[in-house]
Amino acid sequence: AQTVTQSQPEMSVQEAETVTLSCTYDTSESDYYLFWYKQPPSRQMILVIRQEAYKQQNATENRFSVNFQKAAKSFSLKISDSQLGDAAMYFCAYRLYTGTASKLTFGTGTRLQVTL
Amino acid sequence: GAVVSQHPSWVICKSGTSVKIECRSLDFQATTMFWYRQFPKQSLMLMATSNEGSKATYEQGVEKDKFLINHASLTLSTLTVTSAHPEDSSFYICSAPPTSGSSYNEQFFGPGTRLTVL
Repeated sequence: AQTVTQSQPEMSVQEAETVTLSCTYDTSESDYYLFWYKQPPSRQMILVIRQEAYKQQNATENRFSVNFQKAAKSFSLKISDSQLGDAAMYFCAYRLYTGTASKLTFGTGTRLQVTL
Repeated sequence: GAVVSQHPSWVICKSGTSVKIECRSLDFQATTMFWYRQFPKQSLMLMATSNEGSKATYEQGVEKDKFLINHASLTLSTLTVTSAHPEDSSFYICSAPPTSGSSYNEQFFGPGTRLTVL
């Protein structure tokens, strides 16, 4: 079974600074997706960024980027120029590359605080 | 972007009663929908996979007779919590991946339903 581990229950960053959230996963599959989701206090899940395992290039979405190390099974999220609105729970997630019926497996989450 | 709605957004019920939660994909079709439960300060735990026109697939440890799932159409899945008890109080979230289109690799989440059982 696939597992996703987030070892940082809480992180804190000052506004405008950079922070990196860690995620490791365990799988015997070669084709899969990795995701970072944000859950603000409203509890609406928001997709932050997605990485296809077959792509060597790290995904980037504006201030958000990932460091995907397939051999090490590591998938960290870097948030640059942190903003107050980035404060939320962040979940790392894994999904097999086998169609829409493939389920997501979530990590335990990292709560990010952004301070002035 | 694709929108998923849930109704109700919150519900309070008495112990022993049943509660139905609806999950709708508003602008796309979904043959599969997922139901999650999230306890305070915890992650999302998948309860079951809802399949249009067929039986749901439940995760290990989830009581299928207690959490009834019906996926009657390509845009609607319902979760019924039967004989609810206080320990069923939680935040229930559904998600749906579009059956086709450019977003078929994504799952879109509903806003969640907070259930409180007294």
